[in-house]
Amino acid sequence: KAGVTQTPRYLIKTRGQQVTLSCSPISGHRSVSWYQQTPGQGLQFLFEYFSETQRNKGNFPGRFSGRQFSNSRSEMNVSTLELGDSALYLCASSYGLAGREETQYFGPGTRLLVL
Amino acid sequence: GQSLEQPSEVTAVEGAIVQINCTYQTSGFYGLSWYQQHDGGAPTFLSYNALDGLEETGRFSSFLSRSDSYGYLLLQELQMKDSASYFCAFNAGNMLTFGGGTRLMVKP
Repeated sequence: KAGVTQTPRYLIKTRGQQVTLSCSPISGHRSVSWYQQTPGQGLQFLFEYFSETQRNKGNFPGRFSGRQFSNSRSEMNVSTLELGDSALYLCASSYGLAGREETQYFGPGTRLLVL
Repeated sequence: GQSLEQPSEVTAVEGAIVQINCTYQTSGFYGLSWYQQHDGGAPTFLSYNALDGLEETGRFSSFLSRSDSYGYLLLQELQMKDSASYFCAFNAGNMLTFGGGTRLMVKP
């Protein structure tokens, strides 16, 4: 089985712009979760999508949004970018809900730099 | 609230044994997971404990005590390639919550 893929792998944007990141889960997986990782901050949960519905959302401003398509592929969008949004954005997939599955499979991440 | 605590950094010598502790606080709990992440890489799953006790997978073992809200990851026969960050995470039913990570440095 192909693993979780994320595009693009690297991105440079300027403040005020918006960005869309994409994640394709492992075939058959219905849950996609998004995390933000900054140096020394661990993985901060953004949101989880399951069967095209947002199931949970972390403590992030409304500038961060996402969606999931019928094929389970997911996108996240960040509007009005700020310097502090520079981070590695990781998505992870699982067959069931992330909070009830033993294993999450992570993609390689998208490294976003906001100038 | 929900939180996890783990040491930020641990250093050990090649061939030694190292234990990374994790304490958590949550109102709902399904299990404790451990992930490894090398610099520039994606987190990869190591182990999962749903019940109290020790789970062994090769050189790695993970332990859970639900009554103490405590777990640890034990790495034996350390190798240089084990230098990485290790994250504990608990499944709370509604989401997966990660700790801040422990950076393990293995020295020759």
